[in-house]
Amino acid sequence: QQPVQSPQAVILREGEDAVINCSSSKALYSVHWYRQKHGEAPVFLMILLKGGEQKGHDKISASFNEKKQQSSLYLTASQLSYSGTYFCGTERSNNDMRFGAGTRLTVKP
Amino acid sequence: NAGVTQTPKFRVLKTGQSMTLLCAQDMNHEYMYWYRQDPGMGLRLIHYSVGEGTTAKGEVPDGYNVSRLKKQNFLLGLESAAPSQTSVYFCASSYLTGAHNEQFFGPGTRLTVL
Repeated sequence: QQPVQSPQAVILREGEDAVINCSSSKALYSVHWYRQKHGEAPVFLMILLKGGEQKGHDKISASFNEKKQQSSLYLTASQLSYSGTYFCGTERSNNDMRFGAGTRLTVKP
Repeated sequence: NAGVTQTPKFRVLKTGQSMTLLCAQDMNHEYMYWYRQDPGMGLRLIHYSVGEGTTAKGEVPDGYNVSRLKKQNFLLGLESAAPSQTSVYFCASSYLTGAHNEQFFGPGTRLTVL
């Protein structure tokens, strides 16, 4: 019942782009994205509440395809500070939040 | 504002011992959550609370109990610790339902059960 994230890990050079996908077998009400650096707490990036919604935060953006029950996180022109593990969280009903296993992103100089 | 704080940061228990983890938030949030994080498993919801005096079970509640006697505090108890409860525990809070609002996470408690 947890959403499935892909890829599990990705290594980039500074300036390269990446896409992280999150999919669910169940209908979704919302999708959250968080980033966690090693040894730290997860930090909120964005929430998508409606099918077709797209949001952006600096050079990180996301889309939510309600019909396909999936969301994608786009990292453009990656920076060293983007390194960390990215989690998607999906909601099927109020307070029933499930998080994916995470995608480990490493950005190298 | 301190945000969300957790006590203790680290703890080692022997099998069968009990302990309580304390979570405190100073943002006047209604909703509070306890998660556990294991390698390769992401975050799994243990229990949550939608307001003072209320608690509810999450995805993996067995072996844990919680209490929310004050709005700002959310306690997680382990009555008889087991090695399977070795994990990193995160507390989080949100102004309204965490499904529609940002969740603020505490720094985590690393628990080892021998």
